[in-house]
Amino acid sequence: GAGVSQSPSNKVTEKGKDVELRCDPISGHTALYWYRQSLGQGLEFLIYFQGNSAPDKSGLPSDRFSAERTGGSVSTLTIQRTQQEDSAVYLCASSQGASNSPLHFGNGTRLTVT
Amino acid sequence: QKEVEQNSGPLSVPEGAIASLNCTYSDRGSQSFFWYRQYSGKSPELIMFIYSNGDKEDGRFTAQLNKASQYVSLLIRDSQPSDSATYLCAVISGSARQLTFGSGTQLTVLP
Repeated sequence: GAGVSQSPSNKVTEKGKDVELRCDPISGHTALYWYRQSLGQGLEFLIYFQGNSAPDKSGLPSDRFSAERTGGSVSTLTIQRTQQEDSAVYLCASSQGASNSPLHFGNGTRLTVT
Repeated sequence: QKEVEQNSGPLSVPEGAIASLNCTYSDRGSQSFFWYRQYSGKSPELIMFIYSNGDKEDGRFTAQLNKASQYVSLLIRDSQPSDSATYLCAVISGSARQLTFGSGTQLTVLP
């Protein structure tokens, strides 16, 4: 596809359950980002992957959050033991990898924890 | 102090006017600056990027960067109701590799 693809588009889960969010970046993009956006708020950085380098995990809010990127392409963000405050839109973006490359965003996954 | 600060607005301008959106950043080593537009319920989309001091024009949009004063602005000429959205300023700082966003300015263009 031409753009960043995220799935599912919507996810409703019960408090305490684990969820996995998927991101398929633009082909050839070496950098991949995860952001979180709560209702009416700005974008909160979570994690950044660049090629084969160690990911920048400095934005992950707790050890319940983890992410991996397999084969330098698809990424999965996992939230364990979800809490209501995890409810937000989770946005994935990719770029060509140079420090000044613009990010291209997917449509996001809207997570609701009940 | 937040790394990237924007006036949250809301900012209202009449149709046809110039909308001016401002952003300041704290890391003097920052090199790359972006403006994204986000319609309600949608993902951010890139409008402009600027790396050098001065002005950069693209159609009705002009980005202005002043590294000495650590601010970047976006001007929208001949504003249209379709420009009504939240505008996000984003910066790649000198120390971090990741893009840091401001909280956004909500713009409303009144017909």
